[in-house]
Amino acid sequence: EVRLVESGGGLVKPGGSLRLSCAASGFTFSNAWMSWVRQVPGKGLEWVGHIESKTDGGTTDYAAPVKGRFTISRDDSKNTLYLQMNSLKSEDTAVYYCTTEDNWNYDSWGQGTLVTVSS
Amino acid sequence: QSALTQPASVSGSPGQSITISCTGTTSDIGSYTLVSWYQQHPGKGPKLMIFDVNKRPSGISNRFSGSKSGNTASLTISGLQAEDEADYYCCSYAGSSAVVFGGGTKLTVL
Repeated sequence: EVRLVESGGGLVKPGGSLRLSCAASGFTFSNAWMSWVRQVPGKGLEWVGHIESKTDGGTTDYAAPVKGRFTISRDDSKNTLYLQMNSLKSEDTAVYYCTTEDNWNYDSWGQGTLVTVSS
Repeated sequence: QSALTQPASVSGSPGQSITISCTGTTSDIGSYTLVSWYQQHPGKGPKLMIFDVNKRPSGISNRFSGSKSGNTASLTISGLQAEDEADYYCCSYAGSSAVVFGGGTKLTVL
């Protein structure tokens, strides 16, 4: 059974940084493309970005609102996905979900971790 | 990219069928067959219900079906059941390695 468990969320001041982690199990993580999707509480979903498997090149892509501030990385030896968030803004406040990705479809999701950016 | 447009809410009685529309543009839904639909119950992560416009993942009931015409995709749920009550989101590839989601539709089973 695919299992994705996000962690690392919390309260951070505007301009601060935070790193989220996503521990994966139940599938061959090194072969998987992985994504981050966020959701402002009570609002819709927003794609944050993704990372290809290393065998497919390991390329990352980001949504315009986070490009240059967020970095997605992976450690296949630990079956873990990361989201490094810098220069955080109040509009980054959201629940962040880790997902597996297959051709732009998001087939398994974690339970999410809440990031609150506030002074 | 702007979010895809979905109705804020739809409702139906048990056993009935409902359809949720998702309107995009020629840059997203109109250009690709990479449209997916997600179900989200309160406090839970989303669940993939339909991918590639009209395909169902393993384990998803055949009461759920998807279609596309022009710039609009649709999700139809037949034989409504109480457990179908949830939020539903559409999603489309939008080119240049970008993805856009809809604003979500709250389904109420009366």
